[in-house]
Amino acid sequence: EIVMTQSPATLSVSPGERATLSCRASQSVSSHLAWYQHKPGQAPRLLIYGASTRATGIPARLSGSGSGTEFTLTISSLQSEDFAVYYCQQYNNWPLTFGGGTKVEIK
Amino acid sequence: EVQLLESGGGLVQPGGSLRLSCAASGFTFSSCVMSWVRQAPGKGLEWVSGISGSGDTTHFADSVKGRFTISRDNSKNMLYLQMNSLRAEDTALYYCAKGCTPGGYWYFDLWGRGTLVTVSS
Repeated sequence: EIVMTQSPATLSVSPGERATLSCRASQSVSSHLAWYQHKPGQAPRLLIYGASTRATGIPARLSGSGSGTEFTLTISSLQSEDFAVYYCQQYNNWPLTFGGGTKVEIK
Repeated sequence: EVQLLESGGGLVQPGGSLRLSCAASGFTFSSCVMSWVRQAPGKGLEWVSGISGSGDTTHFADSVKGRFTISRDNSKNMLYLQMNSLRAEDTALYYCAKGCTPGGYWYFDLWGRGTLVTVSS
């Protein structure tokens, strides 16, 4: 099983600042990496797939990068609606696995 | 409207069974892979099981293999999860998720709001 490790567990950021979230895979997943945003009481939302392709309707201030084992989700200027928990997921190997999540909170 | 609506959750005793359902609407259901993903209280997301668009291929997490069965009825746009021999550690919010993706990759472009399963005596 591929283990996905996200860091940091919690990120305290002020509105308007940049946030950088990391996701590491225990072995290469090529570019088969997705990012999701999850808010309490809501369905998770797909943000990024293929490591760097934004899903429909996702604003340009969110960007993904990386390949192999190291991946990054960057939010260039945090807005109020961006405070949430973010998960990465690999879909290169079975079983599918998620990272433990990064909570982005207001500083 | 494109949506997924889960149902069937509830309180069940350890060793018991439960069947979850997911009603899909607004898209070509048979063209999409489907999965169940769960979130235990205070924990992160855990993929549980997935099924191909035709229903011919299924996959399971090791934690549920042999106890859970996934199926779909493309004529009714329904996804199911039959859960047997339930354990306390199966307590979670269970999400239905769809993947209608170029190349048939297993990431999920729409999720439901979940149905809560509690395993307790």
